[in-house]
Amino acid sequence: AQKITQTQPGMFVQEKEAVTLDCTYDTSDPSYGLFWYKQPSSGEMIFLIYQGSYDQQNATEGRYSLNFQKARKSANLVISASQLGDSAMYFCAMVRSQGNLIFGKGTKLSVKP
Amino acid sequence: DADVTQTPRNRITKTGKRIMLECSQTKGHDRMYWYRQDPGLGLRLIYYSFDVKDINKGEISDGYSVSRQAQAKFSLSLESAIPNQTALYFCATSDQGGGVEETQYFGPGTRLLVL
Repeated sequence: AQKITQTQPGMFVQEKEAVTLDCTYDTSDPSYGLFWYKQPSSGEMIFLIYQGSYDQQNATEGRYSLNFQKARKSANLVISASQLGDSAMYFCAMVRSQGNLIFGKGTKLSVKP
Repeated sequence: DADVTQTPRNRITKTGKRIMLECSQTKGHDRMYWYRQDPGLGLRLIYYSFDVKDINKGEISDGYSVSRQAQAKFSLSLESAIPNQTALYFCATSDQGGGVEETQYFGPGTRLLVL
């Protein structure tokens, strides 16, 4: 069965430092996509970054990058130069063959000034 | 204007009442989804629709029904609300096709409280 695991319920990072949020996944599909979403306290779900299983390079979007290690089935999110506005819940998700997403339980990131 | 809108944004109702949550999108996507979010459980899929004539149950569809009135509109109904349906409900849309085109874009959410 497909599954997403985020083992860090909460993380703290000092402003301007980098932080890595962990995500491991389990799937038997040969082709799949991995996503990260941010959910601030206001509640909306904001798409951050996408990684396809056949992409040769790790995805990057501004301060966000995805450390994709296919053999280890991990897709960790790296946020560089953390900002106070990065404080939020972060969800890793994987698209299933039916087209819907399955989500991890999330990591709450707190950025300290 | 937001691409995916949900109404109402907040709703308080009583056990046994029927309520409808509505979702509209201007992204031109064929695929639409309803999720619920409970604390500590992430988001779970209730129903999804790949076009107007295609409706599918998700992992937690019991107690819910949906209607896809048009490509742009997808409604979720709770026929007889119960307290454990108290949650944050999200509508999402995506394009068809593989890769990054499958990115799902979410509405702002509806906070539902069932007393």
